[in-house]
Amino acid sequence: EIVMTQSPDSVAVSLGERATINCKSSQSVLHSSNSKNFLAWFQHKPGQPPKLLIYWASTRESGVPDRFSGSGSGTDFTLTISSLQAEDVAVYYCQQYYSTPYTFGQGTKLEIK
Amino acid sequence: QIHLQQSGPGLVKPSQTLSLTCAISGDSVSGNSVAWHWIRQSPSRGLEWLGRTYYRSKWYNEYGVSVRSRIIINADSSKDWFSLQLNSVTPEDTAVYYCAREMGSKVALWGQGTLVTVSS
Repeated sequence: EIVMTQSPDSVAVSLGERATINCKSSQSVLHSSNSKNFLAWFQHKPGQPPKLLIYWASTRESGVPDRFSGSGSGTDFTLTISSLQAEDVAVYYCQQYYSTPYTFGQGTKLEIK
Repeated sequence: QIHLQQSGPGLVKPSQTLSLTCAISGDSVSGNSVAWHWIRQSPSRGLEWLGRTYYRSKWYNEYGVSVRSRIIINADSSKDWFSLQLNSVTPEDTAVYYCAREMGSKVALWGQGTLVTVSS
């Protein structure tokens, strides 16, 4: 199975500042057939189901604020929140859907400094 | 509008079977472009993908490595639901369990979640 590793495990950022979360896969999730990276980012808040933020590594899901962006290719990916808002406090997960079993990173807890 | 409604017991005894159902409204469990997932979340393990089922002229099931020997995911086309069975549970299976819908490689719709506690 593909192992997903996120860094850091937790991060504290001031309101209005940039937050960056990294995700590394143990093998490439770039599919040669369509040149797409099979990588998604989810936001998870307590008491709620996870919310899809980004898919294909960089495509924002409908309704997701544009302060959220995804980048990267192959094995290294980044989720960036350009200007942190209070409502962004959550745990963030990357997930590969290149091959089953689909696998998640261990999660990154984002807090306000 | 598509909606997933989970049901099932919140308490299961060790060594017994955990059973959850996800009822689908507004979509068909046997649709040719969708897949149906079970995912769980616990403080110690984060999000863990358990498996999925989908129909492409016949039914396919794929399971996560850690549960492969104990899990069964079924679907009922006549009632548009799918289910999770996890056998021989231990306290480590205590988690919030979610069903979810995948379409176009996006897992964008989730059930409300069910906290299942494994305890005697």
